[in-house]
Amino acid sequence: DVKVTQSSRYLVKRTGEKVFLECVQDMDHENMFWYRQDPGLGLRLIYFSYDVKMKEKGDIPEGYSVSREKKERFSLILESASTNQTSMYLCASSFGFSGTNTQYFGPGTRLTVL
Amino acid sequence: DQQVKQNSPSLSVQEGRISILNCDYTNSMFDYFLWYKKYPAEGPTFLISISSIKDKNEDGRFTVFLNKSAKHLSLHIVPSQPGDSAVYFCAASGGSEKLVFGKGTKLTVNP
Repeated sequence: DVKVTQSSRYLVKRTGEKVFLECVQDMDHENMFWYRQDPGLGLRLIYFSYDVKMKEKGDIPEGYSVSREKKERFSLILESASTNQTSMYLCASSFGFSGTNTQYFGPGTRLTVL
Repeated sequence: DQQVKQNSPSLSVQEGRISILNCDYTNSMFDYFLWYKKYPAEGPTFLISISSIKDKNEDGRFTVFLNKSAKHLSLHIVPSQPGDSAVYFCAASGGSEKLVFGKGTKLTVNP
């Protein structure tokens, strides 16, 4: 079974803090993704990475950065948290481009920024 | 511009009946389609997928139908069970590693 884990299920931070969200997958997947999910907006892609140290912006990268130093680990960084970044953050992984692109998700991190 | 649309935000069905969730797409380059199920406070779980070379795929109570000419797919759940109550996301891909998700349909199965 594919296992994607995220460092925290719930997180509360203050405006202006630097926030790190970590994601680890154990299936040797090449691709890793960060999404946020908000009511009525579905899943929106923040960043994705197709290899170690490689990254591409998704649809809503503003206010976020990412780091992928090892194949199994993908970190999302909020440089200076703001209240509009309160959301559910979801990490996913998938094999390299194979024509199927099935992504496997972690349990999510519910982030509240006060 | 929404490339994947789930026009029904919610659907309510009686236990034992059929649930039909619909999804429309606009990008003719999409060639692989997936359905995910999501419970509150959990990550989405992969449910079923279909390639554009097929028009139907079944897995137990779940069947996905693809109508390429109409750019439409649907997920049928028969029979529906209370445990199927969740948000269902349709997703599509074509030519890249990324998936494009719809906004989801909340299914409620009433006992």
